[in-house]
Amino acid sequence: GDSVTQMEGPVTLSEEAFLTINCTYTATGYPSLFWYVQYPGEGLQLLLKATKADDKGSNKGFEATYRKETTSFHLEKGSVQVSDSAVYFCALQLQGGSEKLVFGKGTKLTVNP
Amino acid sequence: NAGVTQTPKFRILKIGQSMTLQCTQDMNHNYMYWYRQDPGMGLKLIYYSVGAGITDKGEVPNGYNVSRSTTEDFPLRLELAAPSQTSVYFCASSYVTPGNTIYFGEGSWLTVV
Repeated sequence: GDSVTQMEGPVTLSEEAFLTINCTYTATGYPSLFWYVQYPGEGLQLLLKATKADDKGSNKGFEATYRKETTSFHLEKGSVQVSDSAVYFCALQLQGGSEKLVFGKGTKLTVNP
Repeated sequence: NAGVTQTPKFRILKIGQSMTLQCTQDMNHNYMYWYRQDPGMGLKLIYYSVGAGITDKGEVPNGYNVSRSTTEDFPLRLELAAPSQTSVYFCASSYVTPGNTIYFGEGSWLTVV
C-alpha cells in the first residue's frame, strides 16, 4: 500500500548547521508530496509541498525536491536556527477521491544555540 | 481568521464513558478529516468526509463514529472509551482540488483512565 518512510530521529544540531531529513515514499500513481511542521503543543502547519515530479517546494529557507526516479522528497535547510526546533512530518496525498494524507512517523529536530 | 477549530483541547475520560470531539471550519472546505497521533508515531486517519452527508472510514475507525450534517461541522464520537484511545486528535479540512493544502486544528489531548 501507499506509505512514507522518514529518517528516524531525534536529530540534534547546532545553530547554523546544515539540515537534511530523508523521506521516501511508496505510492501507486503520482501523489502530491508535503512537509508539515509541528511546534511543541501545536497542530500541524504546512511547510512546503510539491505536486509533480522535479518540482521544488520551498519556504522559510527549507527546500525539498520531488524525485520520482528515487521516490524521495528530502527536506533540507542550509543554516538552522533554534526556532526551527520542532517535529517534521513528510506526507503524501493520494489522488482520486479523498485527497487524504498518509504521514511518515515524524522526525524531531532540536537545534541548540 | 478562525480556520479549523476543535474543542475541547484537553479531556480526561474514564473507561467506558463516551464523548464527542467537536470540529468546525469556516473556509467552506469540502473535505474534512479526523486523525489521531500517538507518541512517536505519525498521524493515522480515523474517518474522513468528502461533503455533507458523506463519510468514510480511514485506517483506524474502530471505536469511533462521525457525522457530517453541514459543510462546517464534523464531530467525532468516542463510544465506550478505552485506554487505547488515549491520543492527540486532529481535525483537518481542505478543498477538493488535488495538491491543495490540508489545514489542521490545534489538536485535542484525550486521556482515558
